[in-house]
Amino acid sequence: EADIYQTPRYLVIGTGKKITLECSQTMGHDKMYWYQQDPGMELHLIHYSYGVNSTEKGDLSSESTVSRIRTEHFPLTLESARPSHTSQYLCASRPGQGIAKNIQYFGAGTRLSVL
Amino acid sequence: KQEVTQIPAALSVPEGENLVLNCSFTDSAIYNLQWFRQDPGKGLTSLLLIQSSQREQTSGRLNASLDKSSGRSTLYIAASQPGDSATYLCAVKWETSGSRLTFGEGTQLTVNP
Repeated sequence: EADIYQTPRYLVIGTGKKITLECSQTMGHDKMYWYQQDPGMELHLIHYSYGVNSTEKGDLSSESTVSRIRTEHFPLTLESARPSHTSQYLCASRPGQGIAKNIQYFGAGTRLSVL
Repeated sequence: KQEVTQIPAALSVPEGENLVLNCSFTDSAIYNLQWFRQDPGKGLTSLLLIQSSQREQTSGRLNASLDKSSGRSTLYIAASQPGDSATYLCAVKWETSGSRLTFGEGTQLTVNP
């Protein structure tokens, strides 16, 4: 079964703190994504990566940054969190080839609240 | 098992034609359903989100419908354009799946000038 993990599941922090949201997958997928989703709203792409040392910004502008030093790991960092960053952050990966190339596997998400 | 299926896998139409993409799901206890677009080499772009209590949503030339009892959703594209060429994905969030989305395998649409 596909495994993609996000930690923490929930995070409440104060304004100005630096935070890193972790995402790891054990499927060997090259393509990974970070999405932001407010309750009851659509999913918006904020960052994606097609492999090690490859990162791109998505459709929704974000003050976060990402890195891809290892295939299985795609962390997202906010240098100085603000209340406007309060949202749910979803990480996903997909194989990019083969029969299931378009199927994205999502983590359970991190629900972030910035006070 | 909760599954999402999209038919057809690929579709090619002439410019200007109206078309319908189909999505079916196995468990009617859904929380919401989203239609996405994926362009080659890029991530997903969300097109429409239908909540469980809604029957349809419209955005420009796009109209998505939801029939939970029959386990189906359709995406209607009016007056198709070459720029509509992409892969269209349907994703379901079930009441019991938390924040996890289950995607269909997509329909690859080509609109010919």
